[in-house]
Amino acid sequence: DVKVTQSSRYLVKRTGEKVFLECVQDMDHENMFWYRQDPGLGLRLIYFSYDVKMKEKGDIPEGYSVSREKKERFSLILESASTNQTSMYLCASRNNRDGAYEQYFGPGTRLTVT
Amino acid sequence: GNSVTQMEGPVTLSEEAFLTINCTYTATGYPSLFWYVQYPGEGLQLLLKATKADDKGSNKGFEATYRKETTSFHLEKGSVQVSDSAVYFCALSPNTGFQKLVFGTGTRLLVSP
Repeated sequence: DVKVTQSSRYLVKRTGEKVFLECVQDMDHENMFWYRQDPGLGLRLIYFSYDVKMKEKGDIPEGYSVSREKKERFSLILESASTNQTSMYLCASRNNRDGAYEQYFGPGTRLTVT
Repeated sequence: GNSVTQMEGPVTLSEEAFLTINCTYTATGYPSLFWYVQYPGEGLQLLLKATKADDKGSNKGFEATYRKETTSFHLEKGSVQVSDSAVYFCALSPNTGFQKLVFGTGTRLLVSP
């Protein structure tokens, strides 16, 4: 089974702190994604990565950056956390060989910024 | 652009009732369509998918048929269980370009005994 893990289930940070959210997948997937999930808004794509060291902005990249130094790991960075970044963050990965488009999700990190 | 519209919830049903959650989409070309489910405290899991018109995806008693003429992918189950209580997301993936997933806003299902 594909396994996507995230470093924390719950995180509380203060405004202005630098925050790192880590995601690791164990299936050699090329593509990885970071979403945030908010009530009434569904999932919104923050950043994604085609492959190692490659990254692309999603729909709401402002206030975030990412790093993908190894194929299995995709990090989301909040350079200076703000209260409006309080949300559930979901990481996903995908193997898009053979035309398979479904994404596999981690359990999520619920981040609270106070 | 591409978009997905789901019925607003919560949908509240008694155990063994029939379930329908409506989903319609807007897309160019022929996207792939998905239903994901999120149980409390967990990430999203793929429930079922369909990749071309008239395909029927099915899993765990849930079904959805890709209807190109009505641009719909409604989720159905004949007899729901308390354990089906979750949030259900409809999504599409364009079959050109990078195929990013586009999600609906989610529909919460509450099933009571």
